[in-house]
Amino acid sequence: AQSVAQPEDQVNVAEGNPLTVKCTYSVSGNPYLFWYVQYPNRGLQFLLKYITGDNLVKGSYGFEAEFNKSQTSFHLKKPSALVSDSALYFCAVRDMDNAGNMLTFGGGTRLMVKP
Amino acid sequence: EAGVAQSPRYKIIEKRQSVAFWCNPISGHATLYWYQQILGQGPKLLIQFQNNGVVDDSQLPKDRFSAERLKGVDSTLKIQPAKLEDSAVYLCASSPRTGRGMNTEAFFGQGTRLTVV
Repeated sequence: AQSVAQPEDQVNVAEGNPLTVKCTYSVSGNPYLFWYVQYPNRGLQFLLKYITGDNLVKGSYGFEAEFNKSQTSFHLKKPSALVSDSALYFCAVRDMDNAGNMLTFGGGTRLMVKP
Repeated sequence: EAGVAQSPRYKIIEKRQSVAFWCNPISGHATLYWYQQILGQGPKLLIQFQNNGVVDDSQLPKDRFSAERLKGVDSTLKIQPAKLEDSAVYLCASSPRTGRGMNTEAFFGQGTRLTVV
């Protein structure tokens, strides 16, 4: 069965500093990987995805993520955090070799950016 | 392009009552998902449709939960009877299509917050 782990419940960072939100995954086939953000009382918004090719993926709002196959990781990063980045972040995985193609989410990481 | 529409936004019911949620996916999207998100947790897939057929419902508590997607467009999720532990946000999402080699992301509605008292 496929799974996603987000080892940190909360990440605290000062505004202007770089941020990293960690994600590791497990699938039997090759992964498609996604990051979503959730603001209070809102649905999930898509940030970025890794399909194939360049291991560094750039997405919305200045976020990027690095795919590392040997470490089965897909950490979310941003060079300079903003207070408005404070939200709940979810990593998700699909198994590209599985016809059912379920989208499985991690437990989420709350990002707190302080002024 | 209109997004995924869900209703109602909020619902409060007593335990043992029944409730239904409605979802209208993005036009043309073949795949529709229902997720349950309990406070402080990540979304858990309840059921996935491809057009009007069920792709996966392995985590759907079938003794009390049911879902249908007639005509492959709108979908309803029903709980009967509700339990206290069903209190959660129910998220509907859609994507153009899924299958081996398909790389599309899912687009989410705002969700229905259910409180069972």
